[in-house]
Amino acid sequence: DGGITQSPKYLFRKEGQNVTLSCEQNLNHDAMYWYRQDPGQGLRLIYYSQIVNDFQKGDIAEGYSVSREKKESFPLTVTSAQKNPTAFYLCASSSGTGGTGEQYFGPGTRLTVT
Amino acid sequence: KNQVEQSPQSLIILEGKNCTLQCNYTVSPFSNLRWYKQDTGRGPVSLTIMTFSENTKSNGRYTATLDADTKQSSLHITASQLSDSASYICVVNPRGSNYQLIWGAGTKLIIKP
Repeated sequence: DGGITQSPKYLFRKEGQNVTLSCEQNLNHDAMYWYRQDPGQGLRLIYYSQIVNDFQKGDIAEGYSVSREKKESFPLTVTSAQKNPTAFYLCASSSGTGGTGEQYFGPGTRLTVT
Repeated sequence: KNQVEQSPQSLIILEGKNCTLQCNYTVSPFSNLRWYKQDTGRGPVSLTIMTFSENTKSNGRYTATLDADTKQSSLHITASQLSDSASYICVVNPRGSNYQLIWGAGTKLIIKP
């Protein structure tokens, strides 16, 4: 898992509640990413950030929000607008932007919404 | 549409045996192709990264090959160990994209003693 931490490991929420997933890295990487993983599917990019105070939507950004106020931190908020939030969420970082830099992943957070 | 397809979906082999996992992709042109190992409930870990001009890359008992003409890659695992039980994911980076990675669904490998 390198120098990337995600917390908590498991998270349970009731439908209609917003929830924030934490991601911290001590690798001094500029770029950070949030992915969602569902059974039988490849990872899908939610948001990515190439530099502090800047971030872009990925392929499935609807119902999610992020912030990048510090280089080390890239929290993800799953809002009540996300229709199917139950999934395994992975945070990653890289020294270059995604295509060139190897991505290092955190241990993931499994979110269950009922 | 850019796609990465892996086969088989799952595979069971005995400890000590070799195996080969397949990856077919439609992404073209591409900058690099990666193989990741993901233990259950954990984040993926990079095994190999090959540029479009490379044919093979090794990492210990793992050897990845790439045939850009047929758009196929394979991951060969030699002398399997119980710790090799995991999902193996093929990932392709389209050329010109600075963030987009196309992820396969993975092959789930189980090593039995």
